[in-house]
Amino acid sequence: EAGVTQFPSHSVIEKGQTVTLRCDPISGHDNLYWYRRVMGKEIKFLLHFVKESKQDESGMPNNRFLAERTGGTYSTLKVQPAELEDSGVYFCASTRTGVFRMDYNEQFFGPGTRLTVL
Amino acid sequence: AQSVTQLGSHVSVSEGALVLLRCNYSSSVPPYLFWYVQYPNQGLQLLLKYTSAATLVKGINGFEAEFKKSETSFHLTKPSAHMSDAAEYFCAVSDIPSNTGKLIFGQGTTLQVKP
Repeated sequence: EAGVTQFPSHSVIEKGQTVTLRCDPISGHDNLYWYRRVMGKEIKFLLHFVKESKQDESGMPNNRFLAERTGGTYSTLKVQPAELEDSGVYFCASTRTGVFRMDYNEQFFGPGTRLTVL
Repeated sequence: AQSVTQLGSHVSVSEGALVLLRCNYSSSVPPYLFWYVQYPNQGLQLLLKYTSAATLVKGINGFEAEFKKSETSFHLTKPSAHMSDAAEYFCAVSDIPSNTGKLIFGQGTTLQVKP
């Protein structure tokens, strides 16, 4: 079974440019999460999809960030225009949906995309 | 609000020595707690989890953690460090109140193992 994949692995862009990150979750995983780790800080939640619907986007920093998950498969996270403070590692994770509301299913993480904004 | 604190951003041990990585949490409800490990150029991998069953949780690669409610702690231990244990370790709590399953992470602890 293929794991969570992310593309690109690294991206270096100039301030003001646009970048799109892609995440392919494990097949059959309805839940998809985006997290970000800014250098020296903790990994922070950005948003959560259930299939194609945004369940929780409370962690999105501002309206320069746009996440989509068309068809409930892969997801993209677009940053437009990018700012210096957007630099960091962006992680994607996926998990199945539990039978019970409080079921915990392991989140499987991708290797991350390291974004550098100059 | 739930939160996690990892004491020590860097821990160095000798090969064969005890590994102890500290994690304290804050939660208004019984928490779900996790330890993840990240090896270089890889994604986070689940080491072990506590979801209100046994307080001593055994994970992969010989690691274990004990949930101590009175101390609000979930420290990670391994009796004997191996060179391959060198990695970054993250403690996390599941945000049960929001019911999205999102994880709240500590700052991470880099483990160095010296020969």
